[in-house]
Amino acid sequence: AIQMTQSPSSLSASVGDRVTITCRASQDIRHDLGWYQQKPGKAPKVLIYDASSLRSGVPSRFSGGGSGTEFTLTISSLQPEDFATYYCLQDHNYPYTFGQGTKLEIK
Amino acid sequence: QVQLVQSGAEVKKPGASVRVSCKASGYTFTTYDINWVRQAPGQGLEWMGWMNPNSGYTGYAQKFQGRVTITRDTSINTAYMEVTGLRSEDTAVYFCAREFEGGLDVWGQGTTVTVSS
Repeated sequence: AIQMTQSPSSLSASVGDRVTITCRASQDIRHDLGWYQQKPGKAPKVLIYDASSLRSGVPSRFSGGGSGTEFTLTISSLQPEDFATYYCLQDHNYPYTFGQGTKLEIK
Repeated sequence: QVQLVQSGAEVKKPGASVRVSCKASGYTFTTYDINWVRQAPGQGLEWMGWMNPNSGYTGYAQKFQGRVTITRDTSINTAYMEVTGLRSEDTAVYFCAREFEGGLDVWGQGTTVTVSS
């Protein structure tokens, strides 16, 4: 199975900051990666699919990049509602695998 | 609107089985794959398996092979996920999610399964 290594596991930042989260795949997954946001007690929500495509309705401050084995999620200017946990998910082949998650907290 | 509605919380004893349902509405159920994901308390997301509702074809993470079965009833637009031989480590929130254009775009609200003697 493809392993996804996500970093950092936690991140403390302020409103207005620019933050970047990274996911590394154990093998080439081309562009087959999505980013998800989860708030406590809620189902995850897809932000980015195919590594860099912004889901309809997701604010443009979210962006995704990368291909192959290295991927990033960048939030250009943090808003209060962005404090949540973020996960990457590779859907290149089965079994799909999630990264371990990054908890984004208010500094 | 497009939604997935899951069945309610369950409390089970070790060794028992549980079946969680996921009812789709607002779209053609047989068009998009359904995935199942779980989240143990305070832990991350864990992908369990998937199903093509049209063919009934399924696939599972190796960890769940032989203990998890995903099925569907197309007459009522519902997918099911059954876990047998429950143990305390299976205590988690279980989610179904539709796969659309490379992402899991619609999620059920989650079903809490508690395994306790």
